[in-house]
Amino acid sequence: AQKVTQAQTEISVVEKEDVTLDCVYETRDTTYYLFWYKQPPSGELVFLIRRNSFDEQNEISGRYSWNFQKSTSSFNFTITASQVVDSAVYFCALSEGSGNQFYFGTGTSLTVIP
Amino acid sequence: DTEVTQTPKHLVMGMTNKKSLKCEQHMGHRAMYWYKQKAKKPPELMFVYSYEKLSINESVPSRFSPECPNSSLLNLHLHALQPEDSALYLCASSQELIRLVHNEQFFGPGTRLTVL
Repeated sequence: AQKVTQAQTEISVVEKEDVTLDCVYETRDTTYYLFWYKQPPSGELVFLIRRNSFDEQNEISGRYSWNFQKSTSSFNFTITASQVVDSAVYFCALSEGSGNQFYFGTGTSLTVIP
Repeated sequence: DTEVTQTPKHLVMGMTNKKSLKCEQHMGHRAMYWYKQKAKKPPELMFVYSYEKLSINESVPSRFSPECPNSSLLNLHLHALQPEDSALYLCASSQELIRLVHNEQFFGPGTRLTVL
């Protein structure tokens, strides 16, 4: 079974629109960590956020915000007023408290059209 | 300095060649990672070093041989590769790996490898 599911394979939005990228995870651990990474066309993955399972507070960083809901096992990412520079593949990832593997989702390719 | 550097940027090799990929970080991180990423796929974890010791080996074929000479350097030695090994190889580092739980990782730009 997929540990991290990103059901949206590709999304296109027009510049200045808001967009939400979905992430659903699966784990039996009570302690775990969730991450979002951005991979622009250049290829280098950029760390965006890390959230631990005990902190359900939503996070906002500029135009980026994250909604963590343990009840639905989701950790969604919203970009407000999207810009062309936001075009990239976005990966959600999971690290379990029991350790070892680092699970990436399959990624969502976001295209922001000017 | 928050950069992870990788050399070379591109590498083309034959199936009988021996080559090495290099990775360096100067953030004082004690965990370093190798990932393989095929086109339009997520990165796949290959190896993790923690405090210069191999902590995780995700059943990678022996034609890939990692080495961590010191806490700042990570190498991946390649020998007798197959065309299907062509991919983007990403190096990453994180502050540390405690009980195999992963912190946020900082990635290099990758080496794009083509095996002919």
